[in-house]
Amino acid sequence: DGGITQSPKYLFRKEGQNVTLSCEQNLNHDAMYWYRQDPGQGLRLIYYSQIVNDFQKGDIAEGYSVSREKKESFPLTVTSAQKNPTAFYLCASTIARGAGELFFGEGSRLTVL
Amino acid sequence: DQQVKQNSPSLSVQEGRISILNCDYTNSMFDYFLWYKKYPAEGPTFLISISSIKDKNEDGRFTVFLNKSAKHLSLHIVPSQPGDSAVYFCAASFSGSQGNLIFGKGTKLSVKP
Repeated sequence: DGGITQSPKYLFRKEGQNVTLSCEQNLNHDAMYWYRQDPGQGLRLIYYSQIVNDFQKGDIAEGYSVSREKKESFPLTVTSAQKNPTAFYLCASTIARGAGELFFGEGSRLTVL
Repeated sequence: DQQVKQNSPSLSVQEGRISILNCDYTNSMFDYFLWYKKYPAEGPTFLISISSIKDKNEDGRFTVFLNKSAKHLSLHIVPSQPGDSAVYFCAASFSGSQGNLIFGKGTKLSVKP
């Protein structure tokens, strides 16, 4: 079945450690996105990529990094520079640029101990 | 400054009655609006959308109304069912935004049997 797979679903990290969240899609979508959700908050855009080997910062990119070496994959690294990394992270994709619905993965919950 | 606002954090409705979720936006450039439904610890799922050239879109029990002059949209669910209990996010985008969606903070709907 086509879809977006995020892993791991739950992740614990000690302060000062970098961690990478995986996002893979087999929908043949061009654009991929990373959002962060905090309790009582909407989804805030971290990074997005419209095409392989290109990505742009979203509203809250500080402390995060991404890569887009393959169309299917858009991993997110939460670095030690991120001040408040505990959150629910959502990866999404869409078939083309411009307005349209996003398809989301199941999410990854990161907890920093 | 929030461009998409959902001013009601929660809404409680009796099963079988109508649920009305509201959303206001400030950016007159927005021309495409979406509603997503989200269960805890899961990714949001697309529910219904509307283009700014329309003022109403209907899909089964779900209807979205758009009032451009008031910069307001609403989602009507009728009849409401207990399985509709979830957080509902309003989102908006505009042509040229490269598909980036701006999300509201969400409204938690509880449908009581």
